Amino acid sequence: DAKTTQPNSMESNEEEPVHLPCNHSTISGTDYIHWYRQLPSQGPEYVIHGLTSNVNNRMASLAIAEDRKSSTLILHRATLRDAAVYYCILRGPTSGTYKYIFGTGTRLKVLA
Amino acid sequence: GAGVSQSPRYKVAKRGQDVALRCDPISGHVSLFWYQQALGQGPEFLTYFQNEAQLDKSGLPSDRFFAERPEGSVSTLKIQPSEPRDSAVYFCASSLEGARAEEQYFGPGTRLTVT
Repeated sequence: DAKTTQPNSMESNEEEPVHLPCNHSTISGTDYIHWYRQLPSQGPEYVIHGLTSNVNNRMASLAIAEDRKSSTLILHRATLRDAAVYYCILRGPTSGTYKYIFGTGTRLKVLA
Repeated sequence: GAGVSQSPRYKVAKRGQDVALRCDPISGHVSLFWYQQALGQGPEFLTYFQNEAQLDKSGLPSDRFFAERPEGSVSTLKIQPSEPRDSAVYFCASSLEGARAEEQYFGPGTRLTVT
């Protein structure tokens, strides 16, 4: 039970921003929202995480809705190397605190 | 610094053979996780260690699966005996303490094929 809902796939043009949505309507007050991505034939790679406030790092931004029932991962300028499966994961009481429950994620295709 | 390493990267086994997959976590990381990823699916949790203690093995699919981390560093996932349905990529991940705000660092995985 993934506890999060993401579109199966999305497409973006290279050099354009990408907004990857995630719904998590059953999130608890102490669940963190984590995003990972998995490039072909590699292990998952950490992207970003947050609790309530929007977060920025060198890879991406995370926008969290005020009611925390949804979030959006923002890649500011997609490159071909960003083509991957992106997973939105809750970490906390909803998942059992320490482990990740991955869903099927969103497969991002970047068009040159 | 060195990341999480796994060996072998690829393993082909015949049905009934015992299989051992090794994970070397990042030095000093207390928490270690094993995940199984079937084709086209997201990784699924198998088991979790904090140091040498196995705190959760609820994801192990059958009693043919066994994991250990005897000295709190290197871990081994064993499948005894293996079956074709065990074919998947097995990932190991480690984190400093395992807190909910902490990221996990994943290894490159071991692709297991059981014929």
